[in-house]
Amino acid sequence: GAVVSQHPSRVICKSGTSVKIECRSLDFQATTMFWYRQFPKKSLMLMATSNEGSKATYEQGVEKDKFLINHASLTLSTLTVTSAHPEDSSFYICSVHDSRGKETQYFGPGTRLLVL
Amino acid sequence: EDQVTQSPEALRLQEGESSSLNCSYTVSGLRGLFWYRQDPGKGPEFLFTLYSAGEEKEKERLKATLTKKESFLHITAPKPEDSATYLCAVQVGIQAGTALIFGKGTTLSVSS
Repeated sequence: GAVVSQHPSRVICKSGTSVKIECRSLDFQATTMFWYRQFPKKSLMLMATSNEGSKATYEQGVEKDKFLINHASLTLSTLTVTSAHPEDSSFYICSVHDSRGKETQYFGPGTRLLVL
Repeated sequence: EDQVTQSPEALRLQEGESSSLNCSYTVSGLRGLFWYRQDPGKGPEFLFTLYSAGEEKEKERLKATLTKKESFLHITAPKPEDSATYLCAVQVGIQAGTALIFGKGTTLSVSS
């Protein structure tokens, strides 16, 4: 399977600040990555699809100006939570689309964001 | 609307007590059905992908099966380390590289 890393694993920030989360595909080049959000004891909700070299596609209800996604290379996608508020506190998880052989998706370890 | 429903929501088993988790789906054009394991505070760990009705896959004590309406994850003689939340997800449509639609998961607790 693919190896996916996320950084940081945990972050605490003050309300109004911006936080950048990195998602890296460590062992293959991923043209497509996904960003999900997970609330406690809830399932994963897709936020956006990140395609290398093009603008991200956001799901309905996700503010693109608040959650900035940049997929600048085939191994790195970043999610920036701008002007964070306590309601943005959540577990953010990225995944990469692996099209080698039978396609599947592999997930990163997640980033826990707490906004005070 | 594409939907994925998992049952039960929670399951408690004794070590060695086999059981099954259910994932039923209503989608327009199944491309693949995925099973993941998620431990608390971690990202989902890939287990299986099933693509067509009748397909089965096994990994250690886990066996996943697929019909046209649902998938089962059978756990044979579970151990405490199998305790986790098991997530089912579907990929729909004809285009590769689309996102997954997740069910709410089944939280499995195995006691010794």
